[in-house]
Amino acid sequence: ETGVTQTPRHLVMGMTNKKSLKCEQHLGHNAMYWYKQSAKKPLELMFVYNFKEQTENNSVPSRFSPECPNSSHLFLHLHTLQPEDSALYLCASSQGTTRVVVYNEQFFGPGTRLTVL
Amino acid sequence: DQQVKQNSPSLSVQEGRISILNCDYTNSMFDYFLWYKKYPAEGPTFLISISSIKDKNEDGRFTVFLNKSAKHLSLHIVPSQPGDSAVYFCAAIRDDKIIFGKGTRLHILP
Repeated sequence: ETGVTQTPRHLVMGMTNKKSLKCEQHLGHNAMYWYKQSAKKPLELMFVYNFKEQTENNSVPSRFSPECPNSSHLFLHLHTLQPEDSALYLCASSQGTTRVVVYNEQFFGPGTRLTVL
Repeated sequence: DQQVKQNSPSLSVQEGRISILNCDYTNSMFDYFLWYKKYPAEGPTFLISISSIKDKNEDGRFTVFLNKSAKHLSLHIVPSQPGDSAVYFCAAIRDDKIIFGKGTRLHILP
């Protein structure tokens, strides 16, 4: 596997379910990100991890719980979601600590299409 | 309220002609701008960027222009090729936060 992979690619869950999204990067990067793209809305940055430490949380509801056990893996744990949480969830990674370098060299995964019933 | 706006949801351009994708922003504190390209079933890929201290940046067929007084950004692709058919997102950075536009779908016609 190369680049940034995400599993599952599609997920349907009920509001009472607990599920997890997984992201893995094979690029040796030190930073990882979760983004959300809802229908007809811009891509939104949710969480940033740098060297396994969370450096940013953009006011995301607590029903989304990220976990970064190491620099190569990032999880998004989901529980008691709402139908409006249905969206494409994208993971990304990058190398570098300066802001501009980070965003220029960000590699995205293909995303997980989440549907909450 | 959207801080980064791409007002054209879609654009069709003849192959070989110039494609011009537009982006407007509301906050003069943005100091760095980027364009991303996204194919179906793939994540976005970084295309080109520009610092607010510049007004033009060129990389091969892609040129980004920045008009700070108008708070307007544009991406020019010339000549347009079939592989350029994709969704293009502009994004702006302020205070270490990145804010995206909704995207414009570009169709390159044969």
